[in-house]
Amino acid sequence: DGGITQSPKYLFRKEGQNVTLSCEQNLNHDAMYWYRQDPGQGLRLIYYSQIVNDFQKGDIAEGYSVSREKKESFPLTVTSAQKNPTAFYLCASSKKWLRGLAGAEQYFGPGTRLTVT
Amino acid sequence: ELKVEQNPLFLSMQEGKNYTIYCNYSTTSDRLYWYRQDPGKSLESLFVLLSNGAVKQEGRLMASLDTKARLSTLHITAAVHDLSATYFCAAYDSGGGADGLTFGKGTHLIIQP
Repeated sequence: DGGITQSPKYLFRKEGQNVTLSCEQNLNHDAMYWYRQDPGQGLRLIYYSQIVNDFQKGDIAEGYSVSREKKESFPLTVTSAQKNPTAFYLCASSKKWLRGLAGAEQYFGPGTRLTVT
Repeated sequence: ELKVEQNPLFLSMQEGKNYTIYCNYSTTSDRLYWYRQDPGKSLESLFVLLSNGAVKQEGRLMASLDTKARLSTLHITAAVHDLSATYFCAAYDSGGGADGLTFGKGTHLIIQP
């Protein structure tokens, strides 16, 4: 089955620790995205990558870092510089970058719920 | 900067009734997305609307797009309990911003028997 997997489903960390969230897709999609969702809110874009070895900041990139060494993988690191890291993190992918394909759909993974205390 | 506003943010309705969720966006966008989210779950794609006047229907849900008014609607016909969820609209910034979607805050829909 093709899809997007995120692990772990739940993650607990102490304040001051960096943590890396995994995102893998086997859809052969070029573009991948990370969003953050806070309770009662919509999603906000953290980082995105249109191709391997390239990524761009989204609207709320401060305190986060990413890498895109393989087409299938786009891990997100939440650093200690992120002031309010507790949130639901969603990874998404699309066949091409959205600007390059008008009909492009974004497909979302199951999410990782991060709690930092 | 693209902004997306949904209303209402919370809606409680009875089974069998019709209702509409509204999604306004602030700047040029050439497409509009609707998603459904169940509690604690990820987002499920419902519709992608690509042009002015576009209308798509799936079961009891129908979405439309008016790019001139910068307005999309999600209409629910004869609501059933299974449609209870949070519905998000999202727009794409055609004006050159980041290559991701800008989401509304969501409409939390409860359908009561």
